[in-house]
Amino acid sequence: NAGVTQTPKFQVLKTGQSMTLQCAQDMNHEYMSWYRQDPGMGLRLIHYSVGAGITDQGEVPNGYNVSRSTTEDFPLRLLSAAPSQTSVYFCASSSRDRPGELFFGEGSRLTVL
Amino acid sequence: LAKTTQPISMDSYEGQEVNITCSHNNIATNDYITWYQQFPSQGPRFIIQGYKTKVTNEVASLFIPADRKSSTLSLPRVSLSDTAVYYCLVGDAPYNNNDMRFGAGTRLTVKP
Repeated sequence: NAGVTQTPKFQVLKTGQSMTLQCAQDMNHEYMSWYRQDPGMGLRLIHYSVGAGITDQGEVPNGYNVSRSTTEDFPLRLLSAAPSQTSVYFCASSSRDRPGELFFGEGSRLTVL
Repeated sequence: LAKTTQPISMDSYEGQEVNITCSHNNIATNDYITWYQQFPSQGPRFIIQGYKTKVTNEVASLFIPADRKSSTLSLPRVSLSDTAVYYCLVGDAPYNNNDMRFGAGTRLTVKP
């Protein structure tokens, strides 16, 4: 099993550009989420989804959009990138039966110039 | 919203047992205690989860006293590869009112 797959692993953007971070999981998990991690800090929840067609905001949602059209995929969109969005982004998934047991992807390092 | 307090850093030597304690004074009845491990440039990895008393798996043990206001992650006979950041989370699910937040974690350094 691939688990949780994130692409791209690295990306450099200019301020104002848009992009989408992709996340896919092959474990048939109901729950998926996006976190960002800044240097020396823990992870902060951006958006999450408890099932296809359902999304909600986390702790730091501003500047990000998400959608969940399938169980497998949960893309994160930056509509107009800002330097404050320079960070490492992690996608995670978990099952409804064990929601606290998160499976994380390897991360996507984003730099906004 | 349950909050956790854990040491910022700890040092140990290979072969020793390491105990990392997490305080969570306002833990709710439905909350579980979950620990994650994170290596540099990787996503966190689930280690163990418990509700009360003691839980043990092939990687670690989790000790939870009766009042559940704290918990201790025990790593037996650590090796250099156990150098990582360890996070203690409290909650019943990651997404209930943004529950189960990741704090700064405990940076464990294992020395030869």
